[in-house]
Amino acid sequence: QTVVTQEPSLTVSLGGTVTLTCASSTGTVTSGYYANWFQQKPGQPPRSLIYSATRKHSWTPARFSGSLLGGRAALTLSGVQPEDEAVYFCQLYYGGAQKWVFGGGTKLTVL
Amino acid sequence: EVQLVESGGGLVRPGGSLRLSCAASGFSFSSYSMTWVRQAPGKGLEWISSISTSSSSTYYADSVKGRFTISRDNSKNSMNLQMNSLRAEDTAVYYCARRITIIGGDIDYWGQGILVTVSS
Repeated sequence: QTVVTQEPSLTVSLGGTVTLTCASSTGTVTSGYYANWFQQKPGQPPRSLIYSATRKHSWTPARFSGSLLGGRAALTLSGVQPEDEAVYFCQLYYGGAQKWVFGGGTKLTVL
Repeated sequence: EVQLVESGGGLVRPGGSLRLSCAASGFSFSSYSMTWVRQAPGKGLEWISSISTSSSSTYYADSVKGRFTISRDNSKNSMNLQMNSLRAEDTAVYYCARRITIIGGDIDYWGQGILVTVSS
C-alpha cells in the first residue's frame, strides 16, 4: 500500500517562513509525481495552490511556492499571514498504477 | 466562471445505492478529465475515481473498485458516480474536481461537496 506522509502539524510565527513536506513510501518524489498542494479551511472545500510540483494557479498568492527538496515535494510559505492558518494536503500521482494518493494533511497554526 | 456543483447525496442504508452528479459550467467540459475525491468526517482527502475526456479511461481506488462506477455525459456537461453496495466507511463529503493536465492529473477547481451518509 502506497503511503504519502506529511507533518501532522506545524506552527509558524506571523510573518515567518515555514516549509511543509510530502514524502512517498515508494522513495524519492520527482517531477513525475506531479505533486499538488491544496489548502483547506474548516467547512470549506479544498483550494488548489500548487500543481506539477512548482507551478502556481492564477489565484495562488506569491508567498506560496512549491519545490522538490531532499527527495520530497515541499510547500514553502514566506511571510505567513493569519489567513494561512489551515490544513494543507499534498497529492502525488503514481502513473504506473494510475492512481493518486493524498497525504494525511498538515495542520498549520499561525502564532 | 468555472463552477462545479454536486448533487444526489443523502442518507442511505448499508448495502444500498446512491448516484452522485456533478454539473459543470463556465468551461469546455469535454476538454477536461474529471475526478471524485471524498473526505470522511474529520479525516483527510481520499482520491476515489477519475475519468478521461472521452470516457475511454476510468480509474478507481482499490477501496471502491467494483462498487462504484464513474461516468460522464459531455452533451450535458455532467459527471456521475454510481455508488453500490455502500458501507458505513463510505460516509463522507464527496467532491468533484477538474483535472487540468492529461498526464499527472493536476487539479484546479473543486466543487463545494455533497454529504453521503451510510447508516442504518
